Amino acid sequence: EVQVVESGGGLIHPGGSLRLSCAASGFTVGTDYMSWVRQAPGKGLEWVSSIYSGGSTYYADSVKGRFTISRDNSKNTVYLQMNSLRVEDTAVYYCARGRFWGGSMGYFDFWGQGTLVTVSS
Amino acid sequence: QSVLTQPPSVSGAPGQRVTISCTGSSSNIGAGYGVHWYQHLPGTAPKLLIYGNNNRPSGVPDRFSGSKSGTSASLAITGLQAGDEADYCCQSYDYSLRAWVFGGGTKLTVL
Repeated sequence: EVQVVESGGGLIHPGGSLRLSCAASGFTVGTDYMSWVRQAPGKGLEWVSSIYSGGSTYYADSVKGRFTISRDNSKNTVYLQMNSLRVEDTAVYYCARGRFWGGSMGYFDFWGQGTLVTVSS
Repeated sequence: QSVLTQPPSVSGAPGQRVTISCTGSSSNIGAGYGVHWYQHLPGTAPKLLIYGNNNRPSGVPDRFSGSKSGTSASLAITGLQAGDEADYCCQSYDYSLRAWVFGGGTKLTVL
């Protein structure tokens, strides 16, 4: 059974750092790509970052330079290192498996239940 | 402000058919990138409903269908059931933003 489980969320002060983890089972995180998507309170889903099977990484402009996505194939786990956190980063962060479609960027077929990150003083 | 535009809410009676629209632009849906749809209940994992404009993953009932035309797409749900009450969200890719983009979500209420 394909499953992803996020952890690492919590309450953090502005300017602080946090590392989220996404443990996968039923598939290897090195296939297609893995992504982080967040949902701020009362808002829609927002793509945050992706890491491709070849190791290439991509970031939304809102987090570029502050967040880093990485992968440990031996642990079948994906990480999101979040630095210089801002109040506007407050959200539920979801980990999702990405699949290519039509030879190009595609969709997310399996998601975790999310982990809440609250940035507040 | 989401890149893809959806109505905030739709409603229908049990057994009826509802549609949810998703409007994009020439740099995402209009550029040929696929439109994908998710069902999302608060506090739970989003669930893939439709991928590649009109394809259903295994296990998704054929009451759910998708279509795409130009810079817009639609999700249709027939034979509405109480269990269909959820948020529905469209997603595509935008080459100008170099980002996966989502709609703001549409809350479906079954009357």
